[in-house]
Amino acid sequence: AQKITQTQPGMFVQEKEAVTLDCTYDTSDPSYGLFWYKQPSSGEMIFLIYQGSYDQQNATEGRYSLNFQKARKSANLVISASQLGDSAMYFCAMREGGNTGNQFYFGTGTSLTVIP
Amino acid sequence: GAVVSQHPSRVICKSGTSVKIECRSLDFQATTMFWYRQFPKQSLMLMATSNEGSKATYEQGVEKDKFLINHASLTLSTLTVTSAHPEDSSFYICACLDRDRLETQYFGPGTRLLVL
Repeated sequence: AQKITQTQPGMFVQEKEAVTLDCTYDTSDPSYGLFWYKQPSSGEMIFLIYQGSYDQQNATEGRYSLNFQKARKSANLVISASQLGDSAMYFCAMREGGNTGNQFYFGTGTSLTVIP
Repeated sequence: GAVVSQHPSRVICKSGTSVKIECRSLDFQATTMFWYRQFPKQSLMLMATSNEGSKATYEQGVEKDKFLINHASLTLSTLTVTSAHPEDSSFYICACLDRDRLETQYFGPGTRLLVL
């Protein structure tokens, strides 16, 4: 089974609108971390936001927030007030095993295009 | 955030030559570094996990004699593609694990390798 599933290969959003990028995960480990990365056309992977499995509140970082629904095993990324510079690939990732786990599992990514 | 550099950013070489790629964590120590390969419009594929002072752990299907990894210090890991062939052409990207920042992987800007 896929550890990380991103079902939206491509998304479009109007500038200044909000957009939600979906991510579901699969793990039996009670301790895990969830990450979102942005990859613009330049190729660099930019860390956006982190959510720990024991965190009670949804993570937020500026215009990024993570809609963490543990029972549904989903960790959707919400980008508010989209900007043209948000156009990029977005990858969801998971690390299992708390402080001892190192390997990240990546989803297949979602290509976001912000329309002026 | 944590800064990771990677050099060279782009390399073109003839078939049969070896290419060395350097990955450095600039403002933190990384006992663990990762090397990924990414094909166009695809997700990241983990090649190996590099631990400082010990041998790298390679993923299944990755030839350790072809992709030599050395992690000689807490801030530097190198990937050498030996006797490169056109099928080795790809985007190689390293990541450094920052244990002080929620075990997050911070990525270098990547290296585009083209083997003629």
